[in-house]
Amino acid sequence: IVLTQSPGTLSLSPGERATLSCRASQSVTSSYLAWYQQKPGQAPRLLIYGASSRAIGIPDKFSGSGSGTDFTLTISWLEPEDFAVYYCQQYGSSPGTFGQGTKVEIK
Amino acid sequence: QVQLQESGPGLVRPSETLSLTCGVSGGYISAYYWSWIRQSPGKRLEWIGHIYYSGSTNSNPSLKSRVTISLDTSKNQFSLKLGSVTAADTAVYYCARSYSGSYPDAFEIWGQGTMVTVSS
Repeated sequence: IVLTQSPGTLSLSPGERATLSCRASQSVTSSYLAWYQQKPGQAPRLLIYGASSRAIGIPDKFSGSGSGTDFTLTISWLEPEDFAVYYCQQYGSSPGTFGQGTKVEIK
Repeated sequence: QVQLQESGPGLVRPSETLSLTCGVSGGYISAYYWSWIRQSPGKRLEWIGHIYYSGSTNSNPSLKSRVTISLDTSKNQFSLKLGSVTAADTAVYYCARSYSGSYPDAFEIWGQGTMVTVSS
């Protein structure tokens, strides 16, 4: 399954809302869709699994939604530490695959 | 809190075998899926394969013929061997643990990653 994320880069200011999209080439089984945040030189960090469930310790400013082929990650209020690259991943069909990433940068 | 740490050579010659180990600390190799994932420069993350604590394995069909993943519970670690490497295998290699013991699952805990360059 090919995952396409949009936009490639999102330029926003602290305090603004970020909406990231992930579209799958075919339906994602049982909404097995995850979102990760990656900062330079660091490993990815799991934010959302099962399309909408927050991982342990993830603040509620991060929310995920969607089903089938269209999924969204929303960051309701951007803080300085949220500027990073975000990846979606489907794990319902083997092999699991990742999107190409959306960079959220400071405007 | 469980932590993962990759170790292994940073440089591998073409056609040779890449060998990495992931040490598990703060917990034990137990009923989770233990995976290897890589990130090549300018390319998206790629799942290489996983091993369950029982020893059963699965790997990405694109790499399957070259991948061996094994477990050493006495040392609390698991390993990756990737044979016949080329420059296309140059990447940051991560080990990771599943969020729960069920399958399929997302990757909750990641190692810091180790850069492996394939070059003569």
